[in-house]
Amino acid sequence: GAGVSQSPSNKVTEKGKDVELRCDPISGHTALYWYRQSLGQGLEFLIYFQGNSAPDKSGLPSDRFSAERTGESVSTLTIQRTQQEDSAVYLCASSLIEGAHDTQYFGPGTRLTVL
Amino acid sequence: QKEVEQDPGPLSVPEGAIVSLNCTYSNSAFQYFMWYRQYSRKGPELLMYTYSSGNKEDGRFTAQVDKSSKYISLFIRDSQPSDSATYLCAMADTGGFKTIFGAGTRLFVKA
Repeated sequence: GAGVSQSPSNKVTEKGKDVELRCDPISGHTALYWYRQSLGQGLEFLIYFQGNSAPDKSGLPSDRFSAERTGESVSTLTIQRTQQEDSAVYLCASSLIEGAHDTQYFGPGTRLTVL
Repeated sequence: QKEVEQDPGPLSVPEGAIVSLNCTYSNSAFQYFMWYRQYSRKGPELLMYTYSSGNKEDGRFTAQVDKSSKYISLFIRDSQPSDSATYLCAMADTGGFKTIFGAGTRLFVKA
């Protein structure tokens, strides 16, 4: 079946502009995660959605970052007033049920470059 | 100090060598230990998963967890050029959804 998809695959933007990144999880997966991966760094947790529960936003680095998810489907990560330090690969993952030990299936990522 | 420490490498080995990849951690509450493999410009994929202490073997791959030393390892036997990738360790506590990843070790297996 189809895996996790993300769009766009690459995004180049100018400092100060807003960007929106999209994630389509595997159908039926109730949990969805967003991570950020900077060069030479591990995956930095950003936000977690589980079903209809309130999302855990504890990893969002600033109030310029926000994310939404409609039900158990697509999610969008929005970065307002982008800064050069926002340049990174943004990865989305989904898992069948809640729990860190459930296999997380990752998308290919969106590579964001802020000029 | 980071919760999970992993040497970023790069690590270069000849084909057929045994590879040892390691991570240390500080949070004694971690119970789930994972290794992910990430090829260039791809998302990570789960390679090995271990609960609590002990060893787990899957083909050429062996994962070891030593909770007393807060140290985990991944061994790759008979390494192949196709094993060239970045290997990330990851950990989580019981019932927690938040997974903490290491920085990843870049591995190159030369033919």
